[in-house]
Amino acid sequence: AQSVTQPDIHITVSEGASLELRCNYSYGATPYLFWYVQSPGQGLQLLLKYFSGDTLVQGIKGFEAEFKRSQSSFNLRKPSVHWSDAAEYFCAVGTMDSNYQLIWGAGTKLIIKP
Amino acid sequence: EAGVAQSPRYKIIEKRQSVAFWCNPISGHATLYWYQQILGQGPKLLIQFQNNGVVDDSQLPKDRFSAERLKGVDSTLKIQPAKLEDSAVYLCASSRRLAGGPTDTQYFGPGTRLTVL
Repeated sequence: AQSVTQPDIHITVSEGASLELRCNYSYGATPYLFWYVQSPGQGLQLLLKYFSGDTLVQGIKGFEAEFKRSQSSFNLRKPSVHWSDAAEYFCAVGTMDSNYQLIWGAGTKLIIKP
Repeated sequence: EAGVAQSPRYKIIEKRQSVAFWCNPISGHATLYWYQQILGQGPKLLIQFQNNGVVDDSQLPKDRFSAERLKGVDSTLKIQPAKLEDSAVYLCASSRRLAGGPTDTQYFGPGTRLTVL
């Protein structure tokens, strides 16, 4: 069965520092890959997605993610975080085997130190 | 374009009471989803509609949860009777795609935070 793992429950980063949030999936082929962000009391907002093509994907708010087939990973990065980036980040995948429904990771909570 | 609307934003009820949540998807979106998100977890799909038909309700606790999407637009999710473990955020999402096609972007509403006492 397909699964999504976000190994870090919490990550603390200083404002201005770089960020990498990890996401690994379990699936035999290339899935559709998404990163969503959820700010406190808000719904989920799409940051970026990968369907095919260039494995480095640019998203909103200065985020990017890289698909690495060999590592079954889709890690999210940002070169310099801002206090407003404090939120919870969810990785999700959609596959033919899941009838293209999204399978979600448990999320990583990003804490920004001033 | 207007986003996905949900109401109410917050609801507090006693166990064994009933509650209903409303969702208005983005205009023209064929597919509507209801998710349950328990604190500290990712969203769990409860039910998926395509227009006004149910595509998947395999994870909906049908003894207490029901949902409908009248006329293929608005949707209502009901819990009757509520249990303590139903305390969660209920998220509605919509997407353009028809079921069975490649995964499409889902757009989420702000959610309804339910507390069952």
